[in-house]
This record gives sequence, structure tokens and C-alpha cells, in this order.
Amino acid sequence: GNSVTQMEGPVTLSEEAFLTINCTYTATGYPSLFWYVQYPGEGLQLLLKATKADDKGSNKGFEATYRKETTSFHLEKGSVQVSDSAVYFCALIGQAGTALIFGKGTTLSVSS
Amino acid sequence: GAGVSQSPSNKVTEKGKDVELRCDPISGHTALYWYRQSLGQGLEFLIYFQGNSAPDKSGLPSDRFSAERTGGSVSTLTIQRTQQEDSAVYLCASSFRTSGSVGELFFGEGSRLTVL
Repeated sequence: GNSVTQMEGPVTLSEEAFLTINCTYTATGYPSLFWYVQYPGEGLQLLLKATKADDKGSNKGFEATYRKETTSFHLEKGSVQVSDSAVYFCALIGQAGTALIFGKGTTLSVSS
Repeated sequence: GAGVSQSPSNKVTEKGKDVELRCDPISGHTALYWYRQSLGQGLEFLIYFQGNSAPDKSGLPSDRFSAERTGGSVSTLTIQRTQQEDSAVYLCASSFRTSGSVGELFFGEGSRLTVL
């Protein structure tokens, strides 16, 4: 079945550091890929998405490129801020799927 | 309201009791999802409703879990004879889903269930 694997955290960075959170997936066909973020005390919200191979999703300085050849959707940001501290979830929905399948989440902590 | 509303926000119950968790989705959203978030386990899909179609119950962990959605709007997740391993945050999400697009999921803030 479909699944998502993302790097385990926590990831601890200093402000302005470069961020990569790895995400790989297993799915048949062409799934749609997502990154969701959960800030402390808040509900999950969509950060970015990509619906076909080679698409790049971007939002708030974060980017992720849908790589079919490596079945990956790594999240990157060039310069993190303290306000980026949150839990990040990679997710997919299969081509014929119904539910959004999530990874286990990666906690990011950014210090000033 | 403007967002997905869940109640109660916190529930403490004794092992063996039944609990009901409520979700009020965004008005007009056709799809409604329940997920369970446990420490270290990420988000586990439970059940999905879309319009008048039969729900996808493939994620329900046991027959103690059930859910219904009345009038295509409010949903209730019921856990019977609760066990300690049911302790988690139960998240509801809704989206406007068409045949060609899953649509963005909007999540509520969750109901934290603690089974003593």
C-alpha cells in the first residue's frame, strides 16, 4: 500500500541555517504530494503541495520538488527563522486513493 | 464558524467507558476525515466520508470504533469500551473534494483523549 517515510527528528538549527527534511514515498501510479505544518498549539495546515512529477511546491520560503525517479519530496528552506519551529509532516494521496497518508512528522527547533 | 470545530478539546475517561467526539466541518465541504495522532506515530487515518457515498472505514483499528456523519455535515466518532491504548489526539479535517481534485484539507485543533 501507499506509505510515506520522513527523517526522524528532532532537527535543531540556528537561525538562518539551511534546512532539509527528507521525505520518500511508496505509491503506485502518480500520487499527489504535500507538506503540512503544525505550529505549537495550532492545528495542522497545508504548507505546500505538488501534484505531478517535477512540480515544485513553494510557500513561506519553503520549497519541495516532486522527484518521481527517486520517489522523494524533500522540504528545503534556505534560511530558517525561530518562527519556523514546528512539526512538519510529509503526506501523499494516491492516484486512486481516498485518504491523505502522513509520515510520522519531524520536529524542527530553531534557536536565535 | 470559519474553521473546523471539534469538541470536546479534552476528554479524560475511565477504561471501559464509551466516548463520543464531535466534528463540525467547514460549511460546504463535501469530504470529512478522521485521523488519530499518537506520540511517535504520526497521523493515522481512521475514516473518510465523501458526500453521500459509503464511507471508507479501512483505517478504523477495531470494531470498537465507529463514526457517522449526519446530513452531510456534523460527524461523531464513537469509541466503545475505551482502552488505554486509545489515548491520543483525534483530529478531524474537511475539504471540498471533486472527482478531479482532493482539495486542501483543513484541520480542527483536535480532541485529546486520555483513558485512565
